Amino acid sequence: NAGVTQTPKFRILKIGQSMTLQCTQDMNHNYMYWYRQDPGMGLKLIYYSVGAGITDKGEVPNGYNVSRSTTEDFPLRLELAAPSQTSVYFCASSYFPNGGLNQPQHFGDGTRLSIL
Amino acid sequence: RKEVEQDPGPFNVPEGATVAFNCTYSNSASQSFFWYRQDCRKEPKLLMSVYSSGNEDGRFTAQLNRASQYISLLIRDSKLSDSATYLCVVGSYGGSQGNLIFGKGTKLSVKP
Repeated sequence: NAGVTQTPKFRILKIGQSMTLQCTQDMNHNYMYWYRQDPGMGLKLIYYSVGAGITDKGEVPNGYNVSRSTTEDFPLRLELAAPSQTSVYFCASSYFPNGGLNQPQHFGDGTRLSIL
Repeated sequence: RKEVEQDPGPFNVPEGATVAFNCTYSNSASQSFFWYRQDCRKEPKLLMSVYSSGNEDGRFTAQLNRASQYISLLIRDSKLSDSATYLCVVGSYGGSQGNLIFGKGTKLSVKP
């Protein structure tokens, strides 16, 4: 059981570079999420998706873009990297059935990103 | 009022102690509740779901009080390995925080 897989695990970028953080899940979950977590701080939601083709902004979407072309994949794109985007990025997925209750999230291992 | 609030701690306790964490939530329509633990520089991991009647998993007991809108986590006979940050999670219905809202966490440090 792979669960939620994130790549890469570590990356150093220069200011102004762009990159895509990959996230894939094999649990057929309809919901997927991207969070960032700065040192000593809580999780902040960047974007989430309730299903293929649908994405919504979280608390801190500026500087990021996402797409959800398949149920399995939810990549996060940084277009113009800035030092303020240095953080640990977590992808997660969960199942939220229609008319049912939220199920718990499953997290990937995280991507540690430094912008210099 | 924040949607999900937790005492940030840290809670410093000796091995063998009993420790309790509380979490309050603002949306009275919330229906799903969870406790996660997060070790330093690791991803959050589900510790237990919280059910209306309360539930227990070994040394861990979770309670839900809908009238007062809080959930609690009790850890008995603390172990060194329980040292972590404990995150309260409450189900919601979308918006800028998504459908599952995380508290900022309570840090627990268990000392020998």
